[in-house]
Amino acid sequence: AAGVIQSPRHLIKEKRETATLKCYPIPRHDTVYWYQQGPGQDPQFLISFYEKMQSDKGSIPDRFSAQQFSDYHSELNMSSLELGDSALYFCASSLLSLANYGYTFGSGTRLTVV
Amino acid sequence: DAKTTQPNSMESNEEEPVHLPCNHSTISGTDYIHWYRQLPSQGPEYVIHGLTSNVNNRMASLAIAEDRKSSTLILHRATLRDAAVYYCILRADWKENNDMRFGAGTRLTVKP
Repeated sequence: AAGVIQSPRHLIKEKRETATLKCYPIPRHDTVYWYQQGPGQDPQFLISFYEKMQSDKGSIPDRFSAQQFSDYHSELNMSSLELGDSALYFCASSLLSLANYGYTFGSGTRLTVV
Repeated sequence: DAKTTQPNSMESNEEEPVHLPCNHSTISGTDYIHWYRQLPSQGPEYVIHGLTSNVNNRMASLAIAEDRKSSTLILHRATLRDAAVYYCILRADWKENNDMRFGAGTRLTVKP
């Protein structure tokens, strides 16, 4: 079965550079979620989109932005990168954003800022 | 938002049942109880969820207390591949800003 696809798997950037992470949800899933997981930490919710509109917002820095496109894939744009942005970034998708539906997560993008 | 409390860590022996508890004393009537797990170096994985009644699937069982203030995830026969961090998360239905927030889960160690 198709899963959530994230690209790239690994990314190395220098401080103050920009990065773009991509997420391709499971076919027919209309909701996408982004999470950040620092070393030894639990995943932190960043932002979500339902039917291409921002649905919920968590602890996403102002330097980050995201959007969901007409084909439902999503991109997380990160600017003015800081060392503290080094983390695993997970994308998840679900059918509807209702509480009775589970999420399917991708394998993540490991971002290293040097 | 209703919060959950889980033990930091638990140990189990391989092929024995494991009962992972979760307290959620401030749960509201529309909160679903979700369980996810995260294996090392992988993304979180859905395990099971329920509202009021006990639930079973191929991975686990979810036992929900009658007053819904606590629940237990049951792995019937732990394997080494079940070693992971298990998260108990409440999600309110028909509410804005109800997307899933992870708290501190339980790190399960399975001994051979």
